[in-house]
Amino acid sequence: GAVVSQHPSWVICKSGTSVKIECRSLDFQATTMFWYRQFPKQSLMLMATSNEGSKATYEQGVEKDKFLINHASLTLSTLTVTSAHPEDSSFYICSGQRSTEAFFGQGTRLTVV
Amino acid sequence: DAKTTQPPSMDCAEGRAANLPCNHSTISGNEYVYWYRQIHSQGPQYIIHGLKNNETNEMASLIITEDRKSSTLILPHATLRDTAVYYCIVRVLHSGGSNYKLTFGKGTLLTVNP
Repeated sequence: GAVVSQHPSWVICKSGTSVKIECRSLDFQATTMFWYRQFPKQSLMLMATSNEGSKATYEQGVEKDKFLINHASLTLSTLTVTSAHPEDSSFYICSGQRSTEAFFGQGTRLTVV
Repeated sequence: DAKTTQPPSMDCAEGRAANLPCNHSTISGNEYVYWYRQIHSQGPQYIIHGLKNNETNEMASLIITEDRKSSTLILPHATLRDTAVYYCIVRVLHSGGSNYKLTFGKGTLLTVNP
C-alpha cells in the first residue's frame, strides 16, 4: 500500500505555544488530504479536508483560525495548532487519498502542558 | 449519509476465523463498504472494500449480503497481532466536492486470545 508519513510522532508543548504537524505522502501524490483528531477511547473525528493549492474545508465546530492547514504541494500538508491549550491534547491523524483508498499516517500524539 | 452499526467488542481464539458483522441498512446504491482497523496508538490501516460482490485479499474476505444492508469481515486465521478496533465505513460524498471523506463510527474492538 501507499505510505503516508507524519512528523513528529509525539510532541509536548507549553500552553499558548503553536505546534506544527507534517503529513507527507511518500510514494504518491495526494490532491486531497484529511486531518482527524482522536481523543482517548473515542473514534476518529474528521477536522478538515486539505486541498492542494486552495483553502481547507473545516468540519462544523472546528476553529479554522486555531487549526491552520496548509497544503502547499501534492505531497505535503501541515496542521498547525495555534495557541495550544491542554484541551487540544489529542491524537492527530492525517490521511492521503490515492484512487479509491485512503492511506493514513501513524498519528501524532500532542500533549499540551 | 449511510450509518453503520457494529458490536462494540468481540473475542476470538488465536488461529480461528474472526467474523466481524456490520449493519448498513440505509446504504445507497453507489456507496461502497470499507473496512479499516486501528491498532492501539497507530493510524488506521486499510483492509478491504466492496460494492456488492464478495471480495478477498491477502488480509481478509468481505461478504456483502445481496440486499447490501449488512456485511461481514472475515479474518480467516486470526493472530494476536490482529487485536485492534475494526471500523466498517460507508463512503460518503463530501460537501466540498472531495468524495472520499470517511466517517468513522465506534467500531468493534476485536481481541484475539492465545
